Amino acid sequence: QKEVEQNSGPLSVPEGAIASLNCTYSDRGSQSFFWYRQYSGKSPELIMSIYSNGDKEDGRFTAQLNKASQYVSLLIRDSQPSDSATYLCAVGAYYSGYALNFGKGTSLLVTP
Amino acid sequence: EAGVAQSPRYKIIEKRQSVAFWCNPISGHATLYWYQQILGQGPKLLIQFQNNGVVDDSQLPKDRFSAERLKGVDSTLKIQPAKLEDSAVYLCASSPSDTYEQYFGPGTRLTVT
Repeated sequence: QKEVEQNSGPLSVPEGAIASLNCTYSDRGSQSFFWYRQYSGKSPELIMSIYSNGDKEDGRFTAQLNKASQYVSLLIRDSQPSDSATYLCAVGAYYSGYALNFGKGTSLLVTP
Repeated sequence: EAGVAQSPRYKIIEKRQSVAFWCNPISGHATLYWYQQILGQGPKLLIQFQNNGVVDDSQLPKDRFSAERLKGVDSTLKIQPAKLEDSAVYLCASSPSDTYEQYFGPGTRLTVT
């Protein structure tokens, strides 16, 4: 069973702080990693993708990947109340036909 | 560019009844996915189509769920008969060929009573 594990939270951070969201995966054949944001009652929205070890930055978001440790994280700098949502980690493998395996998500609450 | 369309947005049925959901993907997207998202869980893949062929339906409960994608565009997902545990949001997503980047529709929230 290929697992994608996330702490369900809620993770509470004050406005302006850095939010750190973590994800581990069990399938060593995984090669593509994604973070989706899902507001309550809405559908998931892709916010970051990462394919190589290291960091990838996009605005206030940084994704970090360590394939040796089977670990991927998302940092949100200068967190805003509008960042309050559930963040889903998704993992894909070359043999999965581009299907994604999602974690349960981490609920983030940014308090003013 | 229009996004993924789904209907209906909400559906309430009694157990043992049947229900059908419709999805229209983004124009030109060859790959279409149906996911089930139970409250508090991540989306779980039910079935993946490439054009009008099935790529993966290993997690589709085939005794009660069926799906088709006629002419490689629109798709329908059917549940017959429904059970209480089928209460969930059914998400349709699409992507261009040979890419992981999926775009989700608004979903259909199903409540089975």
